[in-house]
Amino acid sequence: AQSVTQLDSQVPVFEEAPVELRCNYSSSVSVYLFWYVQYPNQGLQLLLKYLSGSTLVKSINGFEAEFNKSQTSFHLRKPSVHISDTAEYFCAVKSRVGGKLQFGAGTQVVVTP
Amino acid sequence: GAGVSQTPSNKVTEKGKYVELRCDPISGHTALYWYRQSLGQGPEFLIYFQGTGAADDSGLPNDRFFAVRPEGSVSTLKIQRTERGDSAVYLCASSLIGTSGQETQYFGPGTRLLVL
Repeated sequence: AQSVTQLDSQVPVFEEAPVELRCNYSSSVSVYLFWYVQYPNQGLQLLLKYLSGSTLVKSINGFEAEFNKSQTSFHLRKPSVHISDTAEYFCAVKSRVGGKLQFGAGTQVVVTP
Repeated sequence: GAGVSQTPSNKVTEKGKYVELRCDPISGHTALYWYRQSLGQGPEFLIYFQGTGAADDSGLPNDRFFAVRPEGSVSTLKIQRTERGDSAVYLCASSLIGTSGQETQYFGPGTRLLVL
């Protein structure tokens, strides 16, 4: 069985400030890790994923996440946010042998000027 | 190319009625997934198809829920005797099939179901 915990339900942040969204998981098997983003009135989109190799993964729009196996974490960071980053962010894990994603409850990021 | 599409976008029904929700996956994607997202929660897995067969239906909450994918493309999620607690956004996703397990799931916009 797997579970995902997103420690913050909402994160208010000022434009151009840094943001960190925390994600911890538990699993008895090896997993792949994902961050999905849901912009207002849109569907879920993949932001970035960790499959293997370098533990630091980056997205095209400036987000990055680091896989920490010892702490079973996959925190998401961005050094400087834009108004357009306002969205809900979901951390998810997937067993390396199964098809389904297990999601956290989500973190709502609200960026204000 | 076209993404995953779901119809209807919204469905309002009365308690006890039967509903069908449709998902059209990305062309060429042989894996299809259904999830349910209740208010304030993350998506919750329901069922996963590889081709025409259900590879994992462990997330279906009870026998009122059923899903089919007869030709390995379009899928229909069927809910019998709907209850108010079934109100949620039902999400469909598709992916390429593979042996690595690394395939990205692409999500549709969802069907918002409201049971009165």
